Formats: sequence, structure tokens, C-alpha cells
Amino acid sequence: NAGVTQTPKFRILKIGQSMTLQCTQDMNHNYMYWYRQDPGMGLKLIYYSVGAGITDKGEVPNGYNVSRSTTEDFPLRLELAAPSQTSVYFCASSLRGEGEQYFGPGTRLTVT
Amino acid sequence: GQNIDQPTEMTATEGAIVQINCTYQTSGFNGLFWYQQHAGEAPTFLSYNVLDGLEEKGRFSSFLSRSKGYSYLLLKELQMKDSASYLCAVRDNDYKLSFGAGTTVTVRA
Repeated sequence: NAGVTQTPKFRILKIGQSMTLQCTQDMNHNYMYWYRQDPGMGLKLIYYSVGAGITDKGEVPNGYNVSRSTTEDFPLRLELAAPSQTSVYFCASSLRGEGEQYFGPGTRLTVT
Repeated sequence: GQNIDQPTEMTATEGAIVQINCTYQTSGFNGLFWYQQHAGEAPTFLSYNVLDGLEEKGRFSSFLSRSKGYSYLLLKELQMKDSASYLCAVRDNDYKLSFGAGTTVTVRA
């Protein structure tokens, strides 16, 4: 049982490039989340999903897109990378909305 | 929205007790979580309060007062491995979490 896995661990992008951050969970959790964490700022919710085919915006969705075609996968897409998107990105999942969230190891992204 | 405040840093000695306070102002409340995050790692769940009172889990306890918008995390018998950031998070009625900026605890020998 791997829990929540994320790839890649590190990535450097040039301004304007695009990329997809992958997130997979093998716990059959319904809820999945994407956060970004900037130094001294805490975790901010980007997007979340309550089940396959359903996604919704969080606090800071601009510049990002998500999809949830399966229960296991919840990829995060950056279309036109900007320096302001330099951050550490965490994916999380929970069985139900009221349960604790389990976090993946994170992706450290730098946009230059 | 949610406004969550916690101290930025705290330092304590090995074997001592440290209390990390968290105050919140929310548009909806459906529980308060504490997570531990070691440098460069993912947050891990520590405790959860939805009703007023104290929840004890080994060396860690968490307290909640909903009327005061206040919680604390108590770490007893501090060990060097407890040096980490502690995140207070409030869940709203849509089951979304809002996090405070975190409190970095440094344990000294």
C-alpha cells in the first residue's frame, strides 16, 4: 500500500512552459486535493475533487487545471508557467470529506 | 473565508512541555486538525477536535474551545525528533481545510 504518490519530485520550468504534476492514491479514497506551500504562508488549496468526474476550485485556482477521470488519479496541469507558481505542491486524499487527509511527498517546482 | 493565527516559532528544551496556540475566525466550522511537518517532508496527521475539550494521544494532546475560536496542541516530554513545523487547520462545512502558516518548534538538548 503506497498511499499517495506524486511525480516528479523536482522540476525546473522556463516561463511559459507547461507541465502536469501527477498524483495517484491506492487507498480507494473518494476525496483528493491539491495544495501549494510557499515559505511562511501555509498550505493553500488549489483544487479538490469529491469523486471521479467531479472537481471544484479551491482558494488559489488561477493558472491551474485538474481532471479526475478515475478514483486513483488526480493530475494538476500548469499551462503557462509563471515565476509566481514556484512552490512546493502537495497532493492529498481522504476517504470521506470528514476524514483526515493523507499527503503525498510533494513536488518542488521552480519557474525561471 | 478563514483567518487562522499561530505563532511563527517556539524553542524548548528536551524533556520539557510546549504549548502551541491557534486562534481562528471562520465562516463555517466543522473540525480542527493538527498536522506535523518535518523539513522537506509532507504533513502528517496528529490530532482532530470537533467538540470542545481535550483529546489525548500519547505525548500529544489537543484542546478546542469553539466559543473562543481557540485550540492548542500540547507536546509533552519533548524529544529531538519533535523538532518540526506544526500546522493548525480548520475544516469548513464543505470539508475543505484552511491552514495556518505553521509554528516551527525547535527542541534543544
